[in-house]
Amino acid sequence: GAVVSQHPSWVICKSGTSVKIECRSLDFQATTMFWYRQFPKQSLMLMATSNEGSKATYEQGVEKDKFLINHASLTLSTLTVTSAHPEDSSFYICSATKPLAPSEQYFGPGTRLTVT
Amino acid sequence: RKEVEQDPGPFNVPEGATVAFNCTYSNSASQSFFWYRQDCRKEPKLLMSVYSSGNEDGRFTAQLNRASQYISLLIRDSKLSDSATYLCVVNRLAYSGAGSYQLTFGKGTKLSVIP
Repeated sequence: GAVVSQHPSWVICKSGTSVKIECRSLDFQATTMFWYRQFPKQSLMLMATSNEGSKATYEQGVEKDKFLINHASLTLSTLTVTSAHPEDSSFYICSATKPLAPSEQYFGPGTRLTVT
Repeated sequence: RKEVEQDPGPFNVPEGATVAFNCTYSNSASQSFFWYRQDCRKEPKLLMSVYSSGNEDGRFTAQLNRASQYISLLIRDSKLSDSATYLCVVNRLAYSGAGSYQLTFGKGTKLSVIP
C-alpha cells in the first residue's frame, strides 16, 4: 500500500495568523511531494512540487513567501500559510510519489482551511 | 485554452442508466491519462487509467484518442454509489525537469444518480 496522511484535517484560524499543514507518507519514503489547492467547484490546482532536502518549485502565481514549504525528510513535508487571509480559505491536498514510480501520485485526505 | 477541459455537467441520471463523460487535453506531450473520482470534501481517488486500446473495469470503460486528444469514460448500469465528481487527469513530465511528473486536473463533472 501507499498511505499518505495530512494533519490537521480541518482548521479555522483568524486573519493574520499562520497555519502549518503536515503531509506524511506512512508506509513509504516519498521522493517527491506535491501541494494542491482546491476552491469550491474548481479543479485541483498544483501549488508547488517539493523534493526532500531541496527548495520547492512553485507554480506561476503562487507566492513562495506566503506559502512556505519544508520537505525536511523523506516522509514529511509541511506547508505553512503565513499571514492567512479569508481568500486563502480552501481545501489543501498533498500527494507523494515513490522513488521507482514517479508518475503515480498517492493523495492525502486533504486539509480544509477556513480563515475568519 | 485550459489544459484539460471536461463537460461542465451536472449530470442527473436515474439508476441503471448509462452515462458518458468527455474530456479533451491541449498538451500533446501528455504521457498518461486517468479518471479520478472525488466525493464531496474528500481527496480525489484513482478510478482507472486510460489507454489507447481502451480499457474496461466492470461497469466502467475508458477510451483515449491521442490523435484528437480526447478521453472518455462510460459508466453502465449506474448505481447510487456512483454519485460523485469525475475528474479527467493528464500526466506529463514537469517543465522543471528532474524527472518528476505533474498531474493536471480537469474541473470535474458532477454525477448524481437518482433512485
